[in-house]
This record gives sequence, C-alpha cells and structure tokens, in this order.
Amino acid sequence: DIQMTQSPPSLSASVGDRVTITCRASQTIGTYLNWYQQKPGRAPNLLTYAASSFPSGVPPRFSGSGSGTDFTLTISSLQPEDSGTYFCQQSFTTPRTFGQGTKVGIK
Amino acid sequence: QVQLQQSGPGLVKPSQTLSLTCAVSGDSVSSNSAAWSWIRQSPSRGLEWLARTYYRSKWYSDYAVSVRSRLDINAVTSKNQFSLQLNSVTPEDTAVYYCAREAAARGYGMDVWGQGTAVTVSS
Repeated sequence: DIQMTQSPPSLSASVGDRVTITCRASQTIGTYLNWYQQKPGRAPNLLTYAASSFPSGVPPRFSGSGSGTDFTLTISSLQPEDSGTYFCQQSFTTPRTFGQGTKVGIK
Repeated sequence: QVQLQQSGPGLVKPSQTLSLTCAVSGDSVSSNSAAWSWIRQSPSRGLEWLARTYYRSKWYSDYAVSVRSRLDINAVTSKNQFSLQLNSVTPEDTAVYYCAREAAARGYGMDVWGQGTAVTVSS
C-alpha cells in the first residue's frame, strides 16, 4: 500500500496568515493527489484534485502543488471558516490511502 | 446535483453482518466515468478506504486487504444504489461509514459523499 504522511499534525495560525500543509507519498503517484477539508461531524469535502485543480466553489486562497511524492496545500490568507482538519489522499492506485490529517485552528 | 443518501443500522452485535446502502441521485451507478466507494473513519484508524465498485462494460470491484475476506460491495442498477456488507463484525469495526463517488473528471477524487452512518458494534 502507498503510505501518505502529512505534516504538521496540527497548527494554529492567525487570520490572514499564510498556511502550508505538506503530504508525502511513499512512492511516486504522479499528480494523483487530492486534498479534503473536514468539519466536525461532517463528511470530508473535496478541496483540490489532481494536485492543483479545484472543484467549482473553492475559494482562490487555496492552492495545491507538487508531483511525484511531495505535495503542498497552501492557504494564502487564513480565514475563520478555514478551521477544520485537512487530509491528503492518493488516487493513483487501490487501495486508496489517506494521510492522517492536519488540524488547523485559528488563534 | 449529485447526492448520496445512506441508510442502515447504527448498532450491530458482534459476529453479525453490517449492511449499509447508498442511494444515488443525479448520476448513474452504471456511469463509465465514476466509481463508487465505501470509506470509514475512526479515531484509531483515521480515514480508511474499504472498497469500490465501477462499471466499464462489466462490473469491477476493488477491496482493501484488511477487510477483503469479510466485505462485499454490490451495485443494484434497477434502484441506482450500491451497498456494503461486512460480515463477522467486531468492536474494531466501530466507525463512521461513508459512501462516496470517485469522479474520473476529477482525477478520481471523491467529489460527492454521503452523510455518514455512525456504526457501533456492541452486544
């Protein structure tokens, strides 16, 4: 199985800060990397797909980058509604695998 | 707008079978550009993908090794739904279970999710 390792496990930042979350795959996955945001008690919500593409409705402050084994999710200017847990997931092969999550809090 | 509606029990006794159904609206389970997955989430295991089924001229299914011997995923085209059956459950299977659509147009990212079913395995 492909292991997905996220860092940091948690972070706390101020409104307006630039926030970066990283995800590393245990083997190359091209750009088959997706990011999700999850709020407490809710299902995950697809934030980015194919490493750097966005479903409609995702605010432009979110950006994704990377290929191969190293990927990044950046929030350019953190907003209060961005609090939650963020997960990366590879869709290169089955079994699909997720990172352990990064919990983002607002100072 | 694609929606997934889950149904099934919230409490299952050990050694029994967990059965969950995911009803699809706004898309077809027989779509050639989607796959239909089950995922579960627990504090100890995080997000764990369990299985998926998809149609490409015939039906295919993939399973996680950890549950392969106990899990069955099926699509019922006449009802436009897919289901999960997990046999011989133990307390380790206690989790929130989700169904989700993988969209080929989105790199097989899971772009639509069910509302989740909290399942407890207990006598």
